Amino acid sequence: AQKVTQAQTEISVVEKEDVTLDCVYETRDTTYYLFWYKQPPSGELVFLIRRNSFDEQNEISGRYSWNFQKSTSSFNFTITASQVVDSAVYFCALSELGGEDDYKLSFGAGTTVTVRA
Amino acid sequence: GAGVSQTPSNKVTEKGKYVELRCDPISGHTALYWYRQSLGQGPEFLIYFQGTGAADDSGLPNDRFFAVRPEGSVSTLKIQRTERGDSAVYLCASSLLGGEIEQFFGPGTRLTVL
Repeated sequence: AQKVTQAQTEISVVEKEDVTLDCVYETRDTTYYLFWYKQPPSGELVFLIRRNSFDEQNEISGRYSWNFQKSTSSFNFTITASQVVDSAVYFCALSELGGEDDYKLSFGAGTTVTVRA
Repeated sequence: GAGVSQTPSNKVTEKGKYVELRCDPISGHTALYWYRQSLGQGPEFLIYFQGTGAADDSGLPNDRFFAVRPEGSVSTLKIQRTERGDSAVYLCASSLLGGEIEQFFGPGTRLTVL
């Protein structure tokens, strides 16, 4: 079963528009971690944020903000005033603690964001 | 400091051949993960090492895939009798301790099986 669902395959916006990426996850664990990664055209995965399941506070970092809602199992990501450099594939991921400190990640399929000048 | 490095960056091989992909984690990182990313998909977990031992190999698709980390640092992913379906980007990630959540990813090795 898919643990992380990113329903939006592609999003295209004009520079300075806001864009929100949806992420819905599924887990039976009470302790888990959620992540967002960015994968620019160069291909390397860049860590953006981590949240643990006990901290539902929303977070803002510059033009990025995250909305974590356990009630709906969602962890959405918003880019405010998008820029061309934000063009990338964005992945939401879930980490459940396995044995021996195993924090393997389950990724969604990704959302491709294209920001046009 | 140096990040996670992977070699080669690209590997083209023929169906049925054997390949080895190398991962050099961040110095001092004891946890090491391998993932595989097929075109248009998110990375999928393959195997996790804590030190020298494979603590979780539940993601390896079949017995053609094998990985080692003999000295607890560099890891090698080995694929026997490659098939066209093995074509993907193979990503390696490391973290400071097994209980450290954040994983740092390497640039990946793009494997193409003709």
